Amino acid sequence: GALVYQYPRRTICKSGTSMRMECQAVGFQATSVAWYRQSPQKTFELIALSTVNSAIKYEQNFTQEKFPISHPNLSFSSMTVLNAYLEDRGLYLCGARAQGNTGQLYFGEGSKLTVL
Amino acid sequence: GEQVEQLPSILRVQEGSSASINCTYENSASNYFPWYKQEPGENPKLIIDIRSNMERKQTQGLIVLLDKKAKRFSLHITDTQPGDSAMYFCAASSPPGTGSNRLTFGKGTKFSLIP
Repeated sequence: GALVYQYPRRTICKSGTSMRMECQAVGFQATSVAWYRQSPQKTFELIALSTVNSAIKYEQNFTQEKFPISHPNLSFSSMTVLNAYLEDRGLYLCGARAQGNTGQLYFGEGSKLTVL
Repeated sequence: GEQVEQLPSILRVQEGSSASINCTYENSASNYFPWYKQEPGENPKLIIDIRSNMERKQTQGLIVLLDKKAKRFSLHITDTQPGDSAMYFCAASSPPGTGSNRLTFGKGTKFSLIP
């Protein structure tokens, strides 16, 4: 079956430092990877959508300078939260989507960021 | 883009009864509607989905209905059990051809059983 591995599961970092998280799709080819942040209130914010062989598209309020993403192949993506501050805390989820624009999106386990 | 409204935000029912969560969307060209269940401390897990070429889908005690005319879709949990308690999220896929290929999520429903 389709699985998405995401690590680390949780990170505690000091204000101003950075955190890198990785996402690996197993058992299917992910044509796109979406990075979301889930707030403590449980709402989802789309950070960026990464499609192999296309430019990474960032949503409003999120920039490449703050959340650089690498998506070198169909099974792997990484994102870094640079200079993390309190407002960056939350659960970061990668969602890998199978082929087709109605392909199912499977989430990784999430990377919980706590900023001190 | 797309906007998804999800209601209710909190839902409590007696064990064994059924429960329903409703979502509406704005863009009539949206064509894929998944539902996710998220338990405390866990990631959201896809539990059922429906595509725009269907009106009804059922699996393991879950039923989803899609009314394209009303731009509404719903999740029905039959014979609720303690293991059903969780956050539930609906989502709608951005229309094809927009280049975004992304899901827009509702704000979630916190579902639990009345003791």
